[in-house]
Amino acid sequence: DTAVSQTPKYLVTQMGNDKSIKCEQNLGHDTMYWYKQDSKKFLKIMFSYNNKELIINETVPNRFSPKSPDKAHLNLHINSLELGDSAVYFCASSQSVGPLHFGNGTRLTVT
Amino acid sequence: AQSVTQPDIHITVSEGASLELRCNYSYGATPYLFWYVQSPGQGLQLLLKYFSGDTLVQGIKGFEAEFKRSQSSFNLRKPSVHWSDAAEYFCAVGDSGGSNYKLTFGKGTLLTVNP
Repeated sequence: DTAVSQTPKYLVTQMGNDKSIKCEQNLGHDTMYWYKQDSKKFLKIMFSYNNKELIINETVPNRFSPKSPDKAHLNLHINSLELGDSAVYFCASSQSVGPLHFGNGTRLTVT
Repeated sequence: AQSVTQPDIHITVSEGASLELRCNYSYGATPYLFWYVQSPGQGLQLLLKYFSGDTLVQGIKGFEAEFKRSQSSFNLRKPSVHWSDAAEYFCAVGDSGGSNYKLTFGKGTLLTVNP
């Protein structure tokens, strides 16, 4: 009964490929997020969705396209992967204003 | 824009010693403040949060933090560190701006615990 689950845990792919990361939360929260953690462990928000509506888009390249089919799911699709996209991507959720609950992350390695 | 500074990149303490991790924030209104811990290869676990009220907040695993508005600080403390506390610790500030709510994180402090 994991609260925020994301798949896959590891993703290794070559430059130029397209890949997706899936996220699901069973907490009944209305807001979901994608954060990127770089090699220096810095966490930066990429997107947030509230009830399937895109709210925050933090100057992320348009190769990254989030999609929220319903308020319990938020997926991240990445086109034409580049070396610099290698990072750990975290999905999170929150109920309005409150703490974020994080998934365990997806480690993306682009070779 | 809100921001968080964690001045210490890496701290080493002996097991059983006390611990204080520093956090300073910048935010125009009353902030929502959080401490998270990340063990290697894991996600972020919430240790404690401050929204309002008592400025000394208790969290899980024996941690506490004190909100000091005059110093724009929210330092994390533990009286006696255990080897299992070795991890990366992140302070975060949440704005209270409604639908565009997000957390902004500091760069983290890596805690090493010596036996």
